[in-house]
Amino acid sequence: GENVEQHPSTLSVQEGDSAVIKCTYSDSASNYFPWYKQELGKRPQLIIDIRSNVGEKKDQRIAVTLNKTAKHFSLHITETQPEDSAVYFCAASRGGSYIPTFGRGTSLIVHP
Amino acid sequence: SAVISQKPSRDICQRGTSLTIQCQVDSQVTMMFWYRQQPGQSLTLIATANQGSEATYESGFVIDKFPISRPNLTFSTLTVSNMSPEDSSIYLCSERPGDTQYFGPGTRLTVL
Repeated sequence: GENVEQHPSTLSVQEGDSAVIKCTYSDSASNYFPWYKQELGKRPQLIIDIRSNVGEKKDQRIAVTLNKTAKHFSLHITETQPEDSAVYFCAASRGGSYIPTFGRGTSLIVHP
Repeated sequence: SAVISQKPSRDICQRGTSLTIQCQVDSQVTMMFWYRQQPGQSLTLIATANQGSEATYESGFVIDKFPISRPNLTFSTLTVSNMSPEDSSIYLCSERPGDTQYFGPGTRLTVL
């Protein structure tokens, strides 16, 4: 089955800095890679996703890159703000009826 | 996105008792999912609830401990039976219309 590794487990940055979270996956057939943000006491919410036919996707201050050859994908947050503080989860899936496999999560702390 | 509600939002229970968690979604879906999230941990799939058939359980989870009902295409329940303090966790209902997994607000369970 799929195995997703996520690093780092904790990331502390100053407001305005950039943050990068990296994930690797094992199943070369995986083709859908969502990222979730979970604020304290809240549900995980999808913030961005990418499919294997695309190398990069941007949405305002967040972007995701995918390297299919190396089987890794990354979340980039620019100009971080205190409200970006949360736990971020990556996931990988073959899509369709396949259930996504989640990474262990990264706790991002943005200091004002 | 999906609209998912859960009841109760939290509960404190005594060891040896059972709790049933309800999940309602806003659209008819073939599969609903139940996850567990232990404190500071990632999302662990308990089972997939199929309408009209038995739920499919993941390794480490059994029907006697986590019986699931799926009476129609918009509703499911998860029961946590014969609870122990190790069952203290957040339980999340989920649906996937397409490739993206959406989560309910969660039920925070504390077992004393």
